[in-house]
Amino acid sequence: DIQMTQSPSSLSASVGDRVTITCRASQGITNYIAWYQQRPGKVPKLLIYAASTLQSGVPSRFSGSGFGTDFTLTISSLQPEDVATYYCQNYNSDHSLTFGGGTKVEIK
Amino acid sequence: QVQLVQSGAEVKRPGSSVKVSCKASGGSFSMYAITWVRQAPGQGFEWMGAILPIFGTTNYAQMFHGRVTLTADEGTSTAYMELNSLKSEDTAVYYCAQMNPMAGWFDPWGQGTLVIVSS
Repeated sequence: DIQMTQSPSSLSASVGDRVTITCRASQGITNYIAWYQQRPGKVPKLLIYAASTLQSGVPSRFSGSGFGTDFTLTISSLQPEDVATYYCQNYNSDHSLTFGGGTKVEIK
Repeated sequence: QVQLVQSGAEVKRPGSSVKVSCKASGGSFSMYAITWVRQAPGQGFEWMGAILPIFGTTNYAQMFHGRVTLTADEGTSTAYMELNSLKSEDTAVYYCAQMNPMAGWFDPWGQGTLVIVSS
């Protein structure tokens, strides 16, 4: 299985800060990566797919980039409602749809 | 957009089985895969498998192969996940989600079903 390594595992930032989360795949996955937001006690929500395509309705302060093995999710200006855990997901293979370990984002 | 509604929480004994349902409404059911993911308390996600209702074809994660069975009823737009030989480590919230079979991301998700395995 392809391993997805997210970093950091948690971070604390101020409102308005730029936040960057990284996800590294154990082998190349072209752009077959999605990002999800899971607010505390809530259902996961799709933010980005195909590495950089913003899901409809997701605020434009979220963006994604990367190709191959290294990917990033960026929040350009952190808002209080962005407090959540963020997960990357690889979908390079029908038989191995793996997730990163998550990054917990808190407000400082 | 489709909405997925899952069955309620379950408490099971070790060694037993659990069957969780996921009913779709408001959109296409048969043409999209239904995938199942679980999340143990305080942990991340584990993908379990997927089914494409129109063909009934299934795809299972290696770690669950032989212990999980996915089925779908097109008539009621309902998908099912049955997990056998339950262990305490299977205590988790189980989610269904819709997946474009030509893609691989999950959207939308069901509300989740808590399964507790305890003696």
